[in-house]
Amino acid sequence: GAGVSQSPRYKVAKRGQDVALRCDPISGHVSLFWYQQALGQGPEFLTYFQNEAQLDKSGLPSDRFFAERPEGSVSTLKIQRTQQEDSAVYLCASSLNRQGVGEQYFGPGTRLTVT
Amino acid sequence: AQSVTQLDSHVSVSEGTPVLLRCNYSSSYSPSLFWYVQHPNKGLQLLLKYTSAATLVKGINGFEAEFKKSETSFHLTKPSAHMSDAAEYFCVVSGRAAGNKLTFGGGTRVLVKP
Repeated sequence: GAGVSQSPRYKVAKRGQDVALRCDPISGHVSLFWYQQALGQGPEFLTYFQNEAQLDKSGLPSDRFFAERPEGSVSTLKIQRTQQEDSAVYLCASSLNRQGVGEQYFGPGTRLTVT
Repeated sequence: AQSVTQLDSHVSVSEGTPVLLRCNYSSSYSPSLFWYVQHPNKGLQLLLKYTSAATLVKGINGFEAEFKKSETSFHLTKPSAHMSDAAEYFCVVSGRAAGNKLTFGGGTRVLVKP
């Protein structure tokens, strides 16, 4: 079956522009996570959804970052007024489990470059 | 709180020799531990996971890891490196008390020499 997909794969934005990054999780997966991976570093948690509910957004770096999952499947991460420090790979992961620890399946990521 | 320290940022091995990637974790509860691999321009792939069953965990591609609670370690090994093992490896900790979010180490880049 299809894995987690993300689009676009690459995005170049001028400083100050708004961007929207899309994640299509594996069908039926309840949990969805967003991570940010800066160059040369490990991914860092941004936010977590259980179905359509955003249960944890403690990792969002500023109020310019906003995520939604209105119907409990596709999710969008939006960054307003992009800054150069937002340049990173944004990873989406989904998991079947509602509670407990289960395997998270990762998408290929969206590489955002802010110029 | 949970955290992970990967003790080596780079490891270089010759093809056919053993690989050892070191990882120490910190967690205030019983953790789940993972190793992920990331090949260039590809997504993260799960190598293996520990979730409080057997302390010696076998994964894909000949990798295995041993959970040592007394040492708070979860080192990854492979008896014989292959050229295709060249990649970035991440040790990861998670747990229910942390909302199942994954906390990644800084990564270890593995270079395999012919």
